Amino acid sequence: GAVVSQHPSRVICKSGTSVKIECRSLDFQATTMFWYRQFPKQSLMLMATSNEGSKATYEQGVEKDKFLINHASLTLSTLTVTSAHPEDSSFYICSASGTLVRGGVSDTQYFGPGTRLTVL
Amino acid sequence: GEDVEQSLFLSVREGDSSVINCTYTDSSSTYLYWYKQEPGAGLQLLTYIFSNMDMKQDQRLTVLLNKKDKHLSLRIADTQTGDSAIYFCAERDSSASKIIFGSGTRLSIRP
Repeated sequence: GAVVSQHPSRVICKSGTSVKIECRSLDFQATTMFWYRQFPKQSLMLMATSNEGSKATYEQGVEKDKFLINHASLTLSTLTVTSAHPEDSSFYICSASGTLVRGGVSDTQYFGPGTRLTVL
Repeated sequence: GEDVEQSLFLSVREGDSSVINCTYTDSSSTYLYWYKQEPGAGLQLLTYIFSNMDMKQDQRLTVLLNKKDKHLSLRIADTQTGDSAIYFCAERDSSASKIIFGSGTRLSIRP
């Protein structure tokens, strides 16, 4: 239990375009989803926390108009990087937590495999 | 605010035990976690411990928690090449569902 998937795993785009990354919980209902950004050889930086059906809570310094987060259902959250620029290139990782995780631990974050974004 | 610290690198010989240490500042943490990240991949939850426990063992993994000193360690017995990865210590924010991560310890195995 507690599998989280992300799509795409890798994306290369031109500067100025928008990119959408999907995060899905495959076998549990994710009441809360988290989006992180990870720079090379560094730890994870929490960007925002989203609860199903409500607006995301962004961490200080993260532009909410730049990184649009939608958590429309208990199994899907999306992160859209709008008008991407080379400095947005990074590894983006989502995680999900929920109750009644079969074979897992409730309220613990389970991570997706990450999406490598490269903006040319 | 809360802080979690780890050493950045650890090198051990194959077959030896690895001990990765972590310190944290939030005395009201409820859960403490160890995650493993292999190159180009997401984080895999390895193990966790409740803050009211001192020790937890799971096959080759042993977690020790010294709540007084706010010190957490992960011991990997009989370290194998497949254990090469970055190991993140994390604590769950007592007031919310946020997890605070350490900087990660890169474990390398030498023959």
